[in-house]
Amino acid sequence: SAVISQKPSRDICQRGTSLTIQCQVDSQVTMMFWYRQQPGQSLTLIATANQGSEATYESGFVIDKFPISRPNLTFSTLTVSNMSPEDSSIYLCSVIYHQGTDTQYFGPGTRLTVL
Amino acid sequence: AQRVTQPEKLLSVFKGAPVELKCNYSYSGSPELFWYVQYSRQRLQLLLRHISRESIKGFTADLNKGETSFHLKKPFAQEEDSAMYYCALRGTSYGKLTFGQGTILTVHP
Repeated sequence: SAVISQKPSRDICQRGTSLTIQCQVDSQVTMMFWYRQQPGQSLTLIATANQGSEATYESGFVIDKFPISRPNLTFSTLTVSNMSPEDSSIYLCSVIYHQGTDTQYFGPGTRLTVL
Repeated sequence: AQRVTQPEKLLSVFKGAPVELKCNYSYSGSPELFWYVQYSRQRLQLLLRHISRESIKGFTADLNKGETSFHLKKPFAQEEDSAMYYCALRGTSYGKLTFGQGTILTVHP
C-alpha cells in the first residue's frame, strides 16, 4: 500500500491569508488528487494534479483560489488562497499508483481552521 | 451527474448482530462502486470494491443495478468494526470518486 504524508497535519489561519499544503508519496504515482471535506460533509474532489502541467479542476473550484503544483511524480502542493472561514475543512491528498488499478489511496489529511 | 446516497448517518448494533449499511447511487452509465472505511484516528482506506466481489473482514457488498444499490453487509458485527463508512462511485472520469455522506457504525459490546 501507499505511504502518503501531508504537511501540515493541521493549522489555524487568519482570514485573508494563504496556506500551502504538501503531499509526499513514497514512490512514483500515476495520478494525484486533492479532495476537500467540509465539516459534516462528504469528500469532494477539488482537482487532479498533473505532473508538469496545469491541474484539472472540478466544477466549482478555480485555480486562483486553489493553485496546485506537481513538479514530479511523488510530490504535490495545494494552496488555499485568500482564506475565509468557509474554507475551514480537511484537505486530503489521494493517489493512484499506476493506471489499470482502481485502488485510490488517501493521505492523513490536513485540518484547516480559518478564523 | 453522479450521486451517492447513504441514508443513515448513524447506525448502532450489538456485537454478533447482522449489520447492513445502505448505499444507493445515481449514474447513467456503468459505475464502479467502492466502500471506504475510516477507523478512529486513522486515514481513509479502501474496504472493498464491487469488481473484486471479495469479502474483506467479513464484509460483502453486491452491486444491484436494478435497484442502483451497493449495500454493505456483515452477518456478525464485531466491536472493531466501529468506524465511519463511505460508499463511493467512479464513473468515466478516471480517478474521480463521488462519495456518499458516510455512515458512522457503532458496535456495542
